[in-house]
Amino acid sequence: QSALTQPASVSGSPGQSITISCTGTSSDVGGYNYVSWYQQHPGKAPKLMIYEVSNRPSGVSNRFSGSKSGNTASLTISGLQAEDEADYYCSSYTSSSTPHVVFGGGTKLTVL
Amino acid sequence: EVQLVQSGAEVKKPGATVKISCKVSGYTFTDYYMHWVQQAPGKGLEWMGLVDPEDGETIYAEKFQGRVTITADTSTDTAYMELSSLRSEDTAVYYCATGVWVLDYWGQGTLVTVSS
Repeated sequence: QSALTQPASVSGSPGQSITISCTGTSSDVGGYNYVSWYQQHPGKAPKLMIYEVSNRPSGVSNRFSGSKSGNTASLTISGLQAEDEADYYCSSYTSSSTPHVVFGGGTKLTVL
Repeated sequence: EVQLVQSGAEVKKPGATVKISCKVSGYTFTDYYMHWVQQAPGKGLEWMGLVDPEDGETIYAEKFQGRVTITADTSTDTAYMELSSLRSEDTAVYYCATGVWVLDYWGQGTLVTVSS
């Protein structure tokens, strides 16, 4: 049950856009549209930001968007703001062995 | 408003068992799976398993198979995660989270410290 692959860190200046990638396999990211993205501030519980590849829950800023191509999903944050600085995790449903959820290793976003 | 409220922090000795609760409100408990996620200090999220409160069916991650038991009590709308044979590496924050294959809502987390 290997984790999905994310970059350890990304950074950007206020107002810029950044993209975080999440690479899996055809058994998870590439095979299903159950890719989600979570934001976690220090000491807080994760918060759902994107579900089913590109959908935003109610209340999440439209500066956050998601997409997928093949086995790689991406989270893009436009118009970076200081409060976007956090850890971001992707997850996917996977059919590998038994059905379950697999997370990426997490990406630390620094707003310069 | 959906709420998942977890039980408080625990300190356990190696070899012991811990049981954490997660009481839900604001939605129909049996409509969605309840997942449990481990986060060791300074580390990422690791999925442990889930229970379907509708019928009690469970799925566990290979890493925790044999040591974890996840249950759901529909009379109190509460889910439980029990982890046995604790070792120092189990020191972590444990989260419950509800959803099907998307973890829509999360509890506040429960810190479990394993120390002799």
